[in-house]
Amino acid sequence: DAGITQSPRHKVTETGTPVTLRCHQTENHRYMYWYRQDPGHGLRLIHYSYGVKDTDKGEVSDGYSVSRSKTEDFLLTLESATSSQTSVYFCAISEDRSTGELFFGEGSRLTVL
Amino acid sequence: QKEVEQNSGPLSVPEGAIASLNCTYSDRGSQSFFWYRQYSGKSPELIMFIYSNGDKEDGRFTAQLNKASQYVSLLIRDSQPSDSATYLCAVNRDDKIIFGKGTRLHILP
Repeated sequence: DAGITQSPRHKVTETGTPVTLRCHQTENHRYMYWYRQDPGHGLRLIHYSYGVKDTDKGEVSDGYSVSRSKTEDFLLTLESATSSQTSVYFCAISEDRSTGELFFGEGSRLTVL
Repeated sequence: QKEVEQNSGPLSVPEGAIASLNCTYSDRGSQSFFWYRQYSGKSPELIMFIYSNGDKEDGRFTAQLNKASQYVSLLIRDSQPSDSATYLCAVNRDDKIIFGKGTRLHILP
């Protein structure tokens, strides 16, 4: 299994509070992605990174920011969490974008009350 | 129009039969195409990828791509109860891997 861990795995927070999810990889893969998964919407790309300090927006980036200061870490921040951001968040890594083989973390379940 | 479209199902198929899953995509600039399987409560995992028009076979799985029709399909032969899962179609466009909503497949024993 690819060495990818997400933390925290579960979090309950209140509307308006900041939240940071961390994705850590030990595979030295170049590409890292953050997705959210919701019933009826499938997996939607939030942000992705193609290298240290190189990030770009995905399909649903409003309300989210990311940072990648090291190859192994990709952080997703909700500056002021809203109930609509209640979701399961998946981090994924990829070595070669042409094959599209993403290795996913186990997911982080976030509940915003 | 969503970039990747799939019928959400559920698709029910008898054990031993062929399951056929379909996907259409809107952007002709999409370069490569993927099928992921996701069991309930688990992370997605890659089953197949395909770049060129035609068929690609791997064991019981066959991926089919028709770029003119912007259509990708996945056939599962000799369906097993362990194939019951959600199947996600995905496309690669400019470093972005975009997923469809997925099709729930239920194999009937």
